[in-house]
Amino acid sequence: DTGVSQNPRHKITKRGQNVTFRCDPISEHNRLYWYRQTLGQGPEFLTYFQNEAQLEKSRLLSDRFSAERPKGSFSTLEIQRTEQGDSAMYLCASSFAVSKHYEQYFGPGTRLTVT
Amino acid sequence: QKEVEQDPGPLSVPEGAIVSLNCTYSNSAFQYFMWYRQYSRKGPELLMYTYSSGNKEDGRFTAQVDKSSKYISLFIRDSQPSDSATYLCAMMAQGGSEKLVFGKGTKLTVNP
Repeated sequence: DTGVSQNPRHKITKRGQNVTFRCDPISEHNRLYWYRQTLGQGPEFLTYFQNEAQLEKSRLLSDRFSAERPKGSFSTLEIQRTEQGDSAMYLCASSFAVSKHYEQYFGPGTRLTVT
Repeated sequence: QKEVEQDPGPLSVPEGAIVSLNCTYSNSAFQYFMWYRQYSRKGPELLMYTYSSGNKEDGRFTAQVDKSSKYISLFIRDSQPSDSATYLCAMMAQGGSEKLVFGKGTKLTVNP
């Protein structure tokens, strides 16, 4: 296993369309995090899972955003009715267990462009 | 005031220089301090982490945390052109939320 993977790497969509991103964490990691990064800014936390349980959601995660991790392995992030302000890099990270939760390893990201 | 402040630069140095990157923070609950390196259009790569105060060294990289001043630093010795990237500091509080709070990142260029 070489690390966290994310698909697709790039997504261009029209305003109002729904999009879904997938994240596959490092296989033995039970924690999975989603962040969003806009140009010139650091990543901002969106939500995280321990196994299949979603434990925390940021205020940034509006009603149009939903994340799932149905079997405690891969996760999906869906954005409904996309807006131009949703254009960003969506990053997924994973970590191993409670004792190492600060060691978050990031994937390559999915770059979303809303036209 | 943002929880984590980081000068975005850009910072340009000659090859072989010692580079100093810094962040300040306002949240006293932060106990874990991380440095990430991010190449253009890639995901952040974890370089180093430190718990509470003190220094940590890994090869050419040294991380320092001064909790009394709420100030953290990353030093890069003998900088190389391959070190050219954006460096992000990140912090986490102990207990409760597991979210990382990032600075804006400092863009570093090491010139051959």
